[in-house]
Amino acid sequence: EAGVAQSPRYKIIEKRQSVAFWCNPISGHATLYWYQQILGQGPKLLIQFQNNGVVDDSQLPKDRFSAERLKGVDSTLKIQPAKLEDSAVYLCASSLQIAGGIYEQYFGPGTRLTVT
Amino acid sequence: GESVGLHLPTLSVQEGDNSIINCAYSNSASDYFIWYKQESGKGPQFIIDIRSNMDKRQGQRVTVLLNKTVKHLSLQIAATQPGDSAVYFCAERKGGSEKLVFGKGTKLTVNP
Repeated sequence: EAGVAQSPRYKIIEKRQSVAFWCNPISGHATLYWYQQILGQGPKLLIQFQNNGVVDDSQLPKDRFSAERLKGVDSTLKIQPAKLEDSAVYLCASSLQIAGGIYEQYFGPGTRLTVT
Repeated sequence: GESVGLHLPTLSVQEGDNSIINCAYSNSASDYFIWYKQESGKGPQFIIDIRSNMDKRQGQRVTVLLNKTVKHLSLQIAATQPGDSAVYFCAERKGGSEKLVFGKGTKLTVNP
């Protein structure tokens, strides 16, 4: 079974530039997540989709971050304009309900963003 | 508020020894906990989980212990191998939500 795919794997941009990340979840997984992982910290949820609808975006900095999952499959996360503090690994995950409200999340390899 | 933290940022063990990684959580409403392993350049990988109605769960070479009285979670790895070297995160889920809150992680180094 193919895992969660993400691209690009690495990106270096200057502050105030724009950047977009792409995620292809595991086939059949209705729920998709974007996390931000700053060096030395655990992942922090940015946004959660259920099919093409947003379930939770309470921690998404909406003045500069946006995400979409138009057809309920692939998703893109955009940052415009980027700030130095956006340097992090951006992880995509998808999940499947396995039992009694438990959703096992599968993570992609992440995109490492460096803002200079 | 919601927070999950670790007692130690790094842990170094000899190959073959047992490892214990600890985690403290603060949300008494959390009903589900997971341990993830993250190798360099990769996303977190599920290791083992435990529901709040349990205090112990065993997997292959791994055991998770949950002490709800003191809000403490631990991961025990038996006969630690070089391939176990990674950063380990605990994560908690508040009841009724899919949202996971991750701790900061413990870097485990296994010396040959």
